[in-house]
Amino acid sequence: QKEVEQNSGPLSVPEGAIASLNCTYSDRGSQSFFWYRQYSGKSPELIMSIYSNGDKEDGRFTAQLNKASQYVSLLIRDSQPSDSATYLCAVKGGSARQLTFGSGTQLTVLP
Amino acid sequence: GAVVSQHPSRVICKSGTSVKIECRSLDFQATTMFWYRQFPKQSLMLMATSNEGSKATYEQGVEKDKFLINHASLTLSTLTVTSAHPEDSSFYICSARDRASGGGETQYFGPGTRLLVL
Repeated sequence: QKEVEQNSGPLSVPEGAIASLNCTYSDRGSQSFFWYRQYSGKSPELIMSIYSNGDKEDGRFTAQLNKASQYVSLLIRDSQPSDSATYLCAVKGGSARQLTFGSGTQLTVLP
Repeated sequence: GAVVSQHPSRVICKSGTSVKIECRSLDFQATTMFWYRQFPKQSLMLMATSNEGSKATYEQGVEKDKFLINHASLTLSTLTVTSAHPEDSSFYICSARDRASGGGETQYFGPGTRLLVL
């Protein structure tokens, strides 16, 4: 079982819709959770970090964390074509020394 | 804030040569820097963790004699790919953790270096 799992996609949503990206992790002791956006050929860019159960909102982005279910998600409201990218979930804590990345979900927002 | 630069952004070299990649934190001091490698359509793979003034910690399967890491200051880490071969062609990305965050986990990524070994 992979330590951090994401659906690889591609996930396609129409412009203006809500995009929902999901991530599960195996280490129950994980404490820190991050979402990065990576455009093709570019390095990852931090979008959100979340450390406590519940929702955290920042502009059009909302991160949701449920430690009991070992699940973290990212919602993108009013999706724009410029949101088209690969979204990487990263987890830290527990037995891991460093960040562990999922394989990423490719999102395409159709105009 | 939290800008990390890498140099060069792209390098093409002949097989058997060595290539040095620099990673700098421009507006903060980085206690720890990380080096990742990413092959096309794959996720980031951590190669090594670099701590200022001490030896790097390499991940399993990464040859420390081939990928030399030096973290000479709180703002600079270098990765040298020695005797590069075509299979070393990849996208190399560094990231840095802000010392001022007091051990916080946020990592800031550099723009990456694309290496092509002919």
